[in-house]
Amino acid sequence: SQKIEQNSEALNIQEGKTATLTCNYTNYSPAYLQWYRQDPGRGPVFLLLIRENEKEKRKERLKVTFDTTLKQSLFHITASQPADSATYLCAPGKGRRALTFGSGTRLQVQP
Amino acid sequence: NAGVTQTPKFQVLKTGQSMTLQCAQDMNHEYMSWYRQDPGMGLRLIHYSVGAGITDQGEVPNGYNVSRSTTEDFPLRLLSAAPSQTSVYFCASSYFDTMEYGYTFGSGTRLTVV
Repeated sequence: SQKIEQNSEALNIQEGKTATLTCNYTNYSPAYLQWYRQDPGRGPVFLLLIRENEKEKRKERLKVTFDTTLKQSLFHITASQPADSATYLCAPGKGRRALTFGSGTRLQVQP
Repeated sequence: NAGVTQTPKFQVLKTGQSMTLQCAQDMNHEYMSWYRQDPGMGLRLIHYSVGAGITDQGEVPNGYNVSRSTTEDFPLRLLSAAPSQTSVYFCASSYFDTMEYGYTFGSGTRLTVV
C-alpha cells in the first residue's frame, strides 16, 4: 500500500531563514501533490498544488519541488516568520481519487 | 461565509451511544469526505462522496455510516461509540473535476468516548 513519510520531528529555525520540509512517498505514482497548513485546533488549509510535469512551483514566499524519480517533494518557505509556525501536511494524489495525507511536520520559527 | 461548517465542535459520548456529526458546505462542491485525525497518524479517510446519492468507504470505515441526500450536507453517524473512536473529525469538500483548488476543510469536531 502507498506510504507517505514526513519528518515527525519538529523543525526549528530562526526568523528570516529558509525552512525546508520533506515529503517522501512509496508504492505510489501520484499525478500531483498538494501541500496544506494546519494550525492547532483548526482544519488544514490548502496552500498549493504541483503536478508531475512541473519541477517547481512558487507562490509568494513558498516554493515546492516535485521529483518523481526520487519520489519526493520539498516545501520551502523563504524569509520565514514566526507566523509561519504551524504543521505542514503533504498529500499526493491521482485523478479524482480521495487524497491520502502525510502525518505532517511541525515548523517552529523562532523570533 | 463560504466554507465548510461542522457541528458540534466538541462532544463527549458514553460507550455504546450513537450520534451524528454534521457537515455542510455552501460552495456547490460535488466531492465531500470525512477524515479522522489522531496524534502521530495523520488524517485517515473514513468515507467519501462524489455527489448526492453516492458514497464509498475509505481507509477506516468500520463503526461509521454516511449518506448524501443533498449536495450541501454529508453527515457522519457513529452507530455505537467506542473509546477507539475518540479523535478529531474533519469534513472536507472540493470540486470533483479539478484538484487545483484543493480541499476545503471544516474546523473539526473533537469527540471523546468514555
